[in-house]
Amino acid sequence: DIQMTQSPPSLSASVGDRVVITCRASQSISSYLNWYQQMPGKAPKLLIHSASSLLSGVPTRFSGSGSGTDFTLTISSLQPEDFAAYYCQQTHSTPTFGQGTKVEIK
Amino acid sequence: QVQLVESGGGVVQPGRSLRLSCAASGFTFSSFGMHWVRQAPGKGLEWVAVIWYDGTNKYYADSVKGRFTISRDNSRNTLYLQMNSLRAEDTAVYYCARSIRLRGGYGYLDYWGQGALVTVSS
Repeated sequence: DIQMTQSPPSLSASVGDRVVITCRASQSISSYLNWYQQMPGKAPKLLIHSASSLLSGVPTRFSGSGSGTDFTLTISSLQPEDFAAYYCQQTHSTPTFGQGTKVEIK
Repeated sequence: QVQLVESGGGVVQPGRSLRLSCAASGFTFSSFGMHWVRQAPGKGLEWVAVIWYDGTNKYYADSVKGRFTISRDNSRNTLYLQMNSLRAEDTAVYYCARSIRLRGGYGYLDYWGQGALVTVSS
């Protein structure tokens, strides 16, 4: 199985901050990397697929980059509704998720 | 609009079985692959299983292989997860999700159900 290492596990940030979350695959996954946001008690919501394709309707402050083994999710200016957990997922082979990053209010 | 509604969750004793269902509406169910993903209390997401749009291919996480079976009835627009030999560590919220496949891989999950809680306890 491909292991996904996501960092940091948690971070504290203020509204307006730029936030970067990284995800590293244990082997190359090309661009088969997706990012999800999960609010407490809710189902996950897809933000970005194929490493950098923003889902329609997702604010443009979210962006994704990377290929091969190293990927990033960037929130350019953190908004109050962005405080949530974020997960990367590889779908190059049988899918696996990263451990998640909890974004908290500073 | 796309809707996925899970049912069948509950409390079950270790070693027993349970079947989850996921009723789909608002899209052509028979054209999409479907996944199950679970989340133990206070933990992260864990992918469980996938089934191709026509049921020809099925894949499982190692943690459930040989105990869980994913299936679908395209005439009823319903996805299933048969869970046998349940263990305490299977306790989780189970989500069904629709998959979009582009150029290979296992697809990304664009719509999710609200989840069904399964508790394995004596």
